[in-house]
Amino acid sequence: GQQVMQIPQYQHVQEGEDFTTYCNSSTTLSNIQWYKQRPGGHPVFLIQLVKSGEVKKQKRLTFQFGEAKKNSSLHITATQTTDVGTYFCAVISNSGYALNFGKGTSLLVTP
Amino acid sequence: DGGITQSPKYLFRKEGQNVTLSCEQNLNHDAMYWYRQDPGQGLRLIYYSQIVNDFQKGDIAEGYSVSREKKESFPLTVTSAQKNPTAFYLCATNLGTSGTYNEQFFGPGTRLTVL
Repeated sequence: GQQVMQIPQYQHVQEGEDFTTYCNSSTTLSNIQWYKQRPGGHPVFLIQLVKSGEVKKQKRLTFQFGEAKKNSSLHITATQTTDVGTYFCAVISNSGYALNFGKGTSLLVTP
Repeated sequence: DGGITQSPKYLFRKEGQNVTLSCEQNLNHDAMYWYRQDPGQGLRLIYYSQIVNDFQKGDIAEGYSVSREKKESFPLTVTSAQKNPTAFYLCATNLGTSGTYNEQFFGPGTRLTVL
């Protein structure tokens, strides 16, 4: 089924620095979703991208879907300590009824 | 999210025992899922169900069993055949049977430790 590789696995930044995580696939994706999981918590849906070249913004977060629909990125501008957590991308599995998650990027922000 | 309950939050069991994890939802969602999360592994799909009395194996179903007798409930049994059961277990729901184009809602999770 559709699988994604997510990089980097970990990222440690100073508060105020930017952060980007990437999801890459060898096949064309129908769509991609992004989730955030705070330490000790559960994943929470952030956004879904469907269209080629799509860019969506949520305050300091910018999500992009590549023109070829084989990659996606999440960029955080001027990180804050509240951004700490693990960010996952997810794509539809072969069955069409479940999601395959990337391994996630864990973000640590130090003040 | 707020409409999915998982109990208990922490669970300890002795090796060789079966244990059942509860997942209840009041979101009226058709689809329900069980994931396992290990450090550095992301979320891996154990089982999913699109409708009552029907369910399918995910990528790592060996050593697990489920039932879906009611729309609201999707319990997961971790059997003694599961060789490495210590993990964080997450239940999720989705709005409809074709709902992978919709967001998944996750419960708070159950952390299972085998002693």
